[in-house]
Amino acid sequence: DVKVTQSSRYLVKRTGEKVFLECVQDMDHENMFWYRQDPGLGLRLIYFSYDVKMKEKGDIPEGYSVSREKKERFSLILESASTNQTSMYLCASRRRRQGLNQPQHFGDGTRLSIL
Amino acid sequence: RKEVEQDPGPFNVPEGATVAFNCTYSNSASQSFFWYRQDCRKEPKLLMSVYSSGNEDGRFTAQLNRASQYISLLIRDSKLSDSATYLCVVTPRTNAGGTSYGKLTFGQGTILTVHP
Repeated sequence: DVKVTQSSRYLVKRTGEKVFLECVQDMDHENMFWYRQDPGLGLRLIYFSYDVKMKEKGDIPEGYSVSREKKERFSLILESASTNQTSMYLCASRRRRQGLNQPQHFGDGTRLSIL
Repeated sequence: RKEVEQDPGPFNVPEGATVAFNCTYSNSASQSFFWYRQDCRKEPKLLMSVYSSGNEDGRFTAQLNRASQYISLLIRDSKLSDSATYLCVVTPRTNAGGTSYGKLTFGQGTILTVHP
């Protein structure tokens, strides 16, 4: 079974802090993703990485950055946290394989509150 | 217009009922299609992929109509444990090199509650 582990289930931080959310997968997947999920807006892609040291902006990258130094780890960074970044953050990974419907596997999520 | 649209519901059905969810997508070049299930305060989990010929997995049947850009999910003989949010998900076409980065676009989800 694929295991995607997010470092925290619940996190409370203050406005202006630099926040790190960590995600680790154990299946040697090439692709990794960070989403946020908000009521009424669904899941929205923040950033994704298609391989080590590679990163691409998703639909809502503003205020975020990412790091993929090792294949198994994908970190999301809130450079200066703001209250509108209070949300559920979900990490996912996926095996890259041409021509097949490879699904994404999600971590348990981190519920982040910015005060 | 949203890229993936679903009726948010909620759908409230009794046990044993048959229920159908619909989903439309705006990008005609979308290539892969999925239904995910998300329980309350949990992460999304893959329910089934959707293939052009339609596919079935036990009580669940998925259909794809590329001409109408429409996906459906049918649940027969509903169980209490089917209560969840059902997410319609599509991926864009692959790049010129044929490698998919696997980006997903999610619908907002349809809430299903199955009651005794």
